[in-house]
Amino acid sequence: DAGVIQSPRHEVTEMGQEVTLRCKPISGHNSLFWYRQTMMRGLELLIYFNNNVPIDDSGMPEDRFSAKMPNASFSTLKIQPSEPRDSAVYFCASSLKGVRTDTQYFGPGTRLTVL
Amino acid sequence: GQSLEQPSEVTAVEGAIVQINCTYQTSGFYGLSWYQQHDGGAPTFLSYNALDGLEETGRFSSFLSRSDSYGYLLLQELQMKDSASYFCAVRDLGYSTLTFGKGTMLLVSP
Repeated sequence: DAGVIQSPRHEVTEMGQEVTLRCKPISGHNSLFWYRQTMMRGLELLIYFNNNVPIDDSGMPEDRFSAKMPNASFSTLKIQPSEPRDSAVYFCASSLKGVRTDTQYFGPGTRLTVL
Repeated sequence: GQSLEQPSEVTAVEGAIVQINCTYQTSGFYGLSWYQQHDGGAPTFLSYNALDGLEETGRFSSFLSRSDSYGYLLLQELQMKDSASYFCAVRDLGYSTLTFGKGTMLLVSP
């Protein structure tokens, strides 16, 4: 089975540009999560979707960040305009809510560098 | 909110046993998970405890004491490939969200 798919794997952009990160969750999973990982702040939850509906977006840093999940097999995280402090690895994860462990399966991540 | 404390780094030699502790403070607790992350890779699930006691999965075991808000991950017969970061994470009541600790980097030497 294919795992969580993310694209691009690496993104280098200049400050002020729009960045769009993409995620395809595992088929059949009903929960999707976007995380950001940096050395300073660790692994932070940005937003959580259940059945394509945003449930908790309290981790979204500011209005420059937005996330959508138009259907069960696709989600995007957009940063507009990007800033150097947004440089991080962004992970998408999916899970099947209701299973005992709610194990989250992470994608390979997108390493974002904003110059 | 939630906060988790775990050591930043642990070192050990091949074949040894190592324990990584995690203490947590949370307004609502459902379970404690452990994830492994190799350098440059993605976090992968190792184990989950919802009830007090020990869960064993091969060389790895995880323990939880809800009354002490404490858990640990025990790695036995350490191998070089176990060198990685290990994260404890608490699951929120109601939601499926996880709050992760800052991670413990385990360095296994020959």
